[in-house]
Amino acid sequence: DAMVIQNPRYQVTQFGKPVTLSCSQTLNHNVMYWYQQKSSQAPKLLFHYYDKDFNNEADTPDNFQSRRPNTSFCFLDIRSPGLGDAAMYLCATGGTAGETQYFGPGTRLLVL
Amino acid sequence: AQSVAQPEDQVNVAEGNPLTVKCTYSVSGNPYLFWYVQYPNRGLQFLLKYITGDNLVKGSYGFEAEFNKSQTSFHLKKPSALVSDSALYFCAVRAGLRGNTPLVFGKGTRLSVIA
Repeated sequence: DAMVIQNPRYQVTQFGKPVTLSCSQTLNHNVMYWYQQKSSQAPKLLFHYYDKDFNNEADTPDNFQSRRPNTSFCFLDIRSPGLGDAAMYLCATGGTAGETQYFGPGTRLLVL
Repeated sequence: AQSVAQPEDQVNVAEGNPLTVKCTYSVSGNPYLFWYVQYPNRGLQFLLKYITGDNLVKGSYGFEAEFNKSQTSFHLKKPSALVSDSALYFCAVRAGLRGNTPLVFGKGTRLSVIA
C-alpha cells in the first residue's frame, strides 16, 4: 500500500544533542511537509519541500533544518534540541495540485 | 489569511446517538476544506474533503460534512456514534490547491463517545 513512513516512532535525545527524524513516501508526491504538534494542539507547519525547493515558515526557529535528497525521502534535523522541542513531529505529503495531504504516523521526540 | 475555528474543545455523545463536530472558516476566495482524525500517538488520518460540487460530502467510517457557504461552516456529522469514534478531530482549510498553499488547522475537538 502507498503510504508515508516515519522513523523512528519514538526518539529520546539529550538536551543539545543533534537528532534527525526520517520520513519516506511511496506516493510519489511532489510536496513533503514537516509539522510540529505539541500536546494535542493543532499541527504547526515548520517547512515544506516543493520538489527540491525548500520553503521555510517565517516563525520556524533556525534550530530546525530539513533535507530532501530525493523524491521519496525527507529528513528533519534538530541541531540543538531544547526541552521545548519535545513534541510529536508529523510528516505529510501532497501532489503538485495537491488537494489532500497524507500524514505519516509521527515521531514522538522526548528531550532529556 | 485563512483561519479555522472549532468552538468546542470537547464533545460528549452517547453511543448510537448522532454526533456533530463544529467548524467555521475564514478565507478569501474559494475554500478547500478538510477533516482529519487523530487517535492517541498516531498521525492524522484523512476523513473527507470539500473542494467543489455537492455541499454534502461523504467520507470514511460513515462520517459526512456539510459545506454551508452563507454560514462559512463545515460541520462534521455521523448519524450513529461508535465508541471507536472517540478521538481528536481537526478541521482544516486551504486557500488554494497548489502544493505550497498551507493547510491551516483548527485547534481540534476531542470527541468522547460513551457506551
